[in-house]
Amino acid sequence: GAVVSQHPSWVICKSGTSVKIECRSLDFQATTMFWYRQFPKQSLMLMATSNEGSKATYEQGVEKDKFLINHASLTLSTLTVTSAHPEDSSFYICSASDLTRLQETQYFGPGTRLLVL
Amino acid sequence: GNSVTQMEGPVTLSEEAFLTINCTYTATGYPSLFWYVQYPGEGLQLLLKATKADDKGSNKGFEATYRKETTSFHLEKGSVQVSDSAVYFCALSDSGGGADGLTFGKGTHLIIQP
Repeated sequence: GAVVSQHPSWVICKSGTSVKIECRSLDFQATTMFWYRQFPKQSLMLMATSNEGSKATYEQGVEKDKFLINHASLTLSTLTVTSAHPEDSSFYICSASDLTRLQETQYFGPGTRLLVL
Repeated sequence: GNSVTQMEGPVTLSEEAFLTINCTYTATGYPSLFWYVQYPGEGLQLLLKATKADDKGSNKGFEATYRKETTSFHLEKGSVQVSDSAVYFCALSDSGGGADGLTFGKGTHLIIQP
């Protein structure tokens, strides 16, 4: 149980286009979802936290107009990279948790690799 | 702010060797501490956790003890196997792990040779 999927697993796009990444909790209801970004040989950096039905809370330095996050249901969150540029190329990872459970644990998706040309 | 420092890899060991991956942290308050493992092509999986000082987390032969006095959470295993080859991340959270984002170390790539 507690599986999180991401789609697509990798995407290549042209500079200036927008890219949407989906994160789904397959067998549990995700009251909270997180988006992380990972650069090569670097740690995962938290970008934002979203609770179902609420606006996402962004970490300092993360442009909310650049990285649009929607958490419209208890099983789906989306991250849209708007007007992508080469510096947005990275590995994006989502995680999800169900705060109604006694054991608080984040379950991670496999990640989406974005390459902006 | 919070930060996690872990030894950089790759760490290469022979099968059945003893493993230690060091992790130290900086945090205000009393964080929860975690070790996550990432196998090739898969998402991060929680390996073990500890939520208060002197707690020992253990799973699959791995263990780590929350040492507040040294702000450390070193990962150990007595006898590693080839299947333990993966990237290991030390992390902390201001909550139990589900309500707040995690602060991660850079990860340690572990390679176990037969």
